Amino acid sequence: AQSVAQPEDQVNVAEGNPLTVKCTYSVSGNPYLFWYVQYPNRGLQFLLKYITGDNLVKGSYGFEAEFNKSQTSFHLKKPSALVSDSALYFCAVRVAAGNKLTFGGGTRVLVKP
Amino acid sequence: NAGVTQTPKFQVLKTGQSMTLQCAQDMNHEYMSWYRQDPGMGLRLIHYSVGAGITDQGEVPNGYNVSRSTTEDFPLRLLSAAPSQTSVYFCASSSETLDRTNYGYTFGSGTRLTVV
Repeated sequence: AQSVAQPEDQVNVAEGNPLTVKCTYSVSGNPYLFWYVQYPNRGLQFLLKYITGDNLVKGSYGFEAEFNKSQTSFHLKKPSALVSDSALYFCAVRVAAGNKLTFGGGTRVLVKP
Repeated sequence: NAGVTQTPKFQVLKTGQSMTLQCAQDMNHEYMSWYRQDPGMGLRLIHYSVGAGITDQGEVPNGYNVSRSTTEDFPLRLLSAAPSQTSVYFCASSSETLDRTNYGYTFGSGTRLTVV
């Protein structure tokens, strides 16, 4: 079975400071990894994905994530957080040969001015 | 392109009533799925489909039925609504070959269901 863990329910950061949202995963096989963001009363929006290749993936709105196979992690990062980055962030994984996308429990990010 | 369209956006049901949540996509995606979102539990997979005529169960299938008669549509049926099914429901679709798309899975805007 595949699973995703987001160990922090909430991350608080001051505007302008670096933002990190943690994600670890467990799959049997090569993982496809995703980050999505959800704003209040909205659906999920795609941020970035890792399929293969460079371990550092750049995505929308200045976000990036680093795939670390040995630590089975895919942490989301942003060098300088904005108040508008306050939202709910989900990490997700699927096996390369499979179809099911499994989500973590989500991390709420609060960026304070 | 409309993407993934879910209807209705809001619904209140009485315990024991049945209803169908509609999901349609216009991207010719093979894969479609239904998730429910509950506070603190992330998104949990209810049912999914890899193509017309093919469906399978996810993590939490009990109390829900699906069918996939066309590539475009993937309705979710609640047979006898229970308060435990109060949730926000999301439909998602994707192309089978992810490296040919930029956006991975495309999600609908959700249906907020309350069962009283």
